[in-house]
Amino acid sequence: KNQVEQSPQSLIILEGKNCTLQCNYTVSPFSNLRWYKQDTGRGPVSLTIMTFSENTKSNGRYTATLDADTKQSSLHITASQLSDSASYICVVSDRGSTLGRLYFGRGTQLTVWP
Amino acid sequence: EADIYQTPRYLVIGTGKKITLECSQTMGHDKMYWYQQDPGMELHLIHYSYGVNSTEKGDLSSESTVSRIRTEHFPLTLESARPSHTSQYLCASSESVQFAYEQYFGPGTRLTVT
Repeated sequence: KNQVEQSPQSLIILEGKNCTLQCNYTVSPFSNLRWYKQDTGRGPVSLTIMTFSENTKSNGRYTATLDADTKQSSLHITASQLSDSASYICVVSDRGSTLGRLYFGRGTQLTVWP
Repeated sequence: EADIYQTPRYLVIGTGKKITLECSQTMGHDKMYWYQQDPGMELHLIHYSYGVNSTEKGDLSSESTVSRIRTEHFPLTLESARPSHTSQYLCASSESVQFAYEQYFGPGTRLTVT
């Protein structure tokens, strides 16, 4: 069964600190992995998309890593800001269907305190 | 920010009522999707469309129906709302389903059925 598991479920950090969110997946055959940021009451917004051959990708203060061998990814947030408070969702796409089906994790709820 | 819109943003309605959730995008995307998301849970695909007059059911069984008469418009209808339909409904669109395609989400409709 294709699954995406994220940890921790929730995280509280102080403004200015760094943090790392984890994602493990069993989706096969693998196509690509995305990290989305979802603010409360809003739709998800894409942060990064990584394909099989990429093992790191940055978007400003966000850096995602991918280990396709161990089927693990992480999202590192540097110098956190209050606006980083959101749910961060790991999404994996397979290439076994014409739709390029997306498998969503439940997200890590990040809260940044001043 | 993506040009994809959903109305209403919030809806509280009584059991048995017929409702239509609107979704429109101005990006000219052929592919559109409806997801259902409960608090703290992953997104589940309930409907998708490859283009005008094309609609398919997603992974999660839903009593809702969709139509795609125009490229930019993908409404979702519930003929008789029930409390079990209470959830957040997210609409999304993409230009393609090819390798590492970007999927853009609307802000969502929070539906409460009393």
